[in-house]
Amino acid sequence: DQQVKQNSPSLSVQEGRISILNCDYTNSMFDYFLWYKKYPAEGPTFLISISSIKDKNEDGRFTVFLNKSAKHLSLHIVPSQPGDSAVYFCAASARVFGTDKLIFGTGTRLQVFP
Amino acid sequence: EAQVTQNPRYLITVTGKKLTVTCSQNMNHEYMSWYRQDPGLGLRQIYYSMNVEVTDKGDVPEGYKVSRKEKRNFPLILESPSPNQTSLYFCASSWDFGVAEAFFGQGTRLTVV
Repeated sequence: DQQVKQNSPSLSVQEGRISILNCDYTNSMFDYFLWYKKYPAEGPTFLISISSIKDKNEDGRFTVFLNKSAKHLSLHIVPSQPGDSAVYFCAASARVFGTDKLIFGTGTRLQVFP
Repeated sequence: EAQVTQNPRYLITVTGKKLTVTCSQNMNHEYMSWYRQDPGLGLRQIYYSMNVEVTDKGDVPEGYKVSRKEKRNFPLILESPSPNQTSLYFCASSWDFGVAEAFFGQGTRLTVV
């Protein structure tokens, strides 16, 4: 049962345009969400996060939007650059009955072409 | 430089031969975790540790053991590896769980034949 879903395995965007990566979750107990970026042969690196008490968080070219009623979050990259080409994972966390849960999605491979 | 160091980076072993993948962090983080990454399944948590001598199972703990005797080290132990444990493994650390960015190691690609 995949509690965090990234339904688009890949996305191709032209340089300078907007990239929108989507993530859906099923467990309403999740209260914090994070995005990680991963280049080949490297570990994931943190990109941006959002608490469930917010609906938007910005950091430079990156903005994350959270729609709790739809259990949906998205990552917007504007403008997209070739260096943004990587695999992006969304993750959701919750503390349930004293157990820490951090669940990752399956990832979306973003390719930004010139 | 803040970093999480895993060793080895690549390992090929045979079924049943015990192995240990080491993980060390230099940021004095309390939380450490192990994940495996498989095609189409993303990153799945194996075990995590909230502090020295405090560990707990993640989503896929079967066939793995961990220990946290020191704050900086969190080794992953496969007592009797099997081919279904062939995967890419990542260790991560953070100052808090789930709400703070985690720093990941570069990964260990394990093949069990």
